Amino acid sequence: NAGVMQNPRHLVRRRGQEARLRCSPMKGHSHVYWYRQLPEEGLKFMVYLQKENIIDESGMPKERFSAEFPKEGPSILRIQQVVRGDSAAYFCASSPLLAGDEQFFGPGTRLTVL
Amino acid sequence: AQSVTQPDIHITVSEGASLELRCNYSYGATPYLFWYVQSPGQGLQLLLKYFSGDTLVQGIKGFEAEFKRSQSSFNLRKPSVHWSDAAEYFCAVGARTGANNLFFGTGTRLTVIP
Repeated sequence: NAGVMQNPRHLVRRRGQEARLRCSPMKGHSHVYWYRQLPEEGLKFMVYLQKENIIDESGMPKERFSAEFPKEGPSILRIQQVVRGDSAAYFCASSPLLAGDEQFFGPGTRLTVL
Repeated sequence: AQSVTQPDIHITVSEGASLELRCNYSYGATPYLFWYVQSPGQGLQLLLKYFSGDTLVQGIKGFEAEFKRSQSSFNLRKPSVHWSDAAEYFCAVGARTGANNLFFGTGTRLTVIP
């Protein structure tokens, strides 16, 4: 059973470009979470999605950031008009059920904004 | 508000020595509790978790943690550290109901010297 997959593993963008980060959850998992890890910090929750629904986006910046988890295909975290402060590691996690279930983390996408 | 405190940013221990990493949390009720380990450039791997029952939980790689409700603590321990344990360790809390996102501490970096 493959784990959580994220791609790309490394992404370099110039200021003002768009970044698209993809996450394929583990087989059988219908809950996806995105976290951001700034240098020298812990992970901060961004958004929680189920198939075709955003359940909780309280940790997502109000502008430039969006997330989706379509019926088919991976979850996408999209950052428009990136700025240097967006440089971070973005981790996706998935779980099969609701509160308390273990979240399985992907290897992360390291975004560098030049 | 929820918060997780890991007071030790960096700990250095000799191989074979015992280890204790501290974690204190602030939460409205007893949360679910987790310890994750992150090797450089990698995602997070779950070491152990506490949901209910016995307050001393055993995890992988010889780690254990004890939940102390009176102290709001969930410290991680290992009786004899191996060089391969060098990594970043994160304590996290999650809700028992409703939202399923995790709150992470800022991490403790463990260095193991021969």
